[in-house]
Amino acid sequence: QKEVEQNSGPLSVPEGAIASLNCTYSDRGSQSFFWYRQYSGKSPELIMFIYSNGDKEDGRFTAQLNKASQYVSLLIRDSQPSDSATYLCAVRSPGAGSYQLTFGKGTKLSVIP
Amino acid sequence: DTGVSQNPRHKITKRGQNVTFRCDPISEHNRLYWYRQTLGQGPEFLTYFQNEAQLEKSRLLSDRFSAERPKGSFSTLEIQRTEQGDSAMYLCASSLGGPGLAGANVLTFGAGSRLTVL
Repeated sequence: QKEVEQNSGPLSVPEGAIASLNCTYSDRGSQSFFWYRQYSGKSPELIMFIYSNGDKEDGRFTAQLNKASQYVSLLIRDSQPSDSATYLCAVRSPGAGSYQLTFGKGTKLSVIP
Repeated sequence: DTGVSQNPRHKITKRGQNVTFRCDPISEHNRLYWYRQTLGQGPEFLTYFQNEAQLEKSRLLSDRFSAERPKGSFSTLEIQRTEQGDSAMYLCASSLGGPGLAGANVLTFGAGSRLTVL
């Protein structure tokens, strides 16, 4: 059973601070890793994906991947109140055939003005 | 193309009734997925189509659930004899399959269809 674990939160950070969201996964063969943002009552929207060890930056967002530790994180710099949402980590494993993603339960982020 | 379209957005039904949801994917996407999400949980995979072929079904998909994607375009998800435990948001997503990892299987979700079974 493939598992993706996230702290449910809520994680509260002051406006302008760095928010750090963490995710671990159980399938060592996992290849691609995705971060989705989901506002309350809305559908998930992709923030970024990563598949190589190291960091990947996109604007205020940085994804970090460490396959040896089976750990992926998302850093949000200069957090804004509009970043308040649930952040879902998703993992794709090879050989699944369907390319389906396995999602964690999400971490709820609250950015305090 | 305005993205993945789902309807109805909300459905309230009585236990034992049948319901059907429709999903229109992004037109050039050949892969289509159905997920279910309950409060406080991440999306759970239900089933997947590549073009018109249903290639994978989750164990969550009991025999009361059926999905189709005729002609590889829109898809329908039908739930027969609904139960209160079926109350959830049903999410459809689509993606464009291709070689390599970069950009492959980036799922774009629709707004979802919320089902309430009384």
